Amino acid sequence: GIQVEQSPPDLILQEGANSTLRCNFSDSVNNLQWFHQNPWGQLINLFYIPSGTKQNGRLSATTVATERYSLLYISSSQTTDSGVYFCAVPVSGGYNKLIFGAGTRLAVHP
Amino acid sequence: DTAVSQTPKYLVTQMGNDKSIKCEQNLGHDTMYWYKQDSKKFLKIMFSYNNKELIINETVPNRFSPKSPDKAHLNLHINSLELGDSAVYFCASSQSERGGQVRTDTQYFGPGTRLTVL
Repeated sequence: GIQVEQSPPDLILQEGANSTLRCNFSDSVNNLQWFHQNPWGQLINLFYIPSGTKQNGRLSATTVATERYSLLYISSSQTTDSGVYFCAVPVSGGYNKLIFGAGTRLAVHP
Repeated sequence: DTAVSQTPKYLVTQMGNDKSIKCEQNLGHDTMYWYKQDSKKFLKIMFSYNNKELIINETVPNRFSPKSPDKAHLNLHINSLELGDSAVYFCASSQSERGGQVRTDTQYFGPGTRLTVL
């Protein structure tokens, strides 16, 4: 089945720093989602980005489907950005069964 | 105006008991899902229903039985709870095309139910 790998597994930043999180996937996909799981456990949709680049405030995402990777950029990080960031892609063959990466655990210190 | 809601938020129970978790979505979506997140934060799909029809049924012990009374609700009943069932269970929903077969719909997640089996 499709493999989803995220890097780095852990990231510690000082407030105000920028960072890039990476998601590699082993098969072609026609959609990809980025989620943020905050310290209270809530899974929040960040981006639905099958290809191209999208921006939402300090966050942006780029997916290069032909090269099977997606990047999540966080600029001017804040303590509220702390949590775990997941990417997820659907399994080929029908239905929207999402396969999640193991996540990148981000801690932003003041 | 919660989009996807789950009850209860926390569930603490003894081994061997039977328990249920309920999920409701008010987004008008036709597809709903159950995911399990283990202690290492790994998320894995368990089941999915499209218009009350089971369309995804992963390798899950048959002690777990989902039920969808209508397309806005998806419940999860767990029999004979075991220690290894302790996890956070997330419900999600999405709007599909062509009966759930188009893999382009965004999934929206509920707040999760933290199940602890003692």
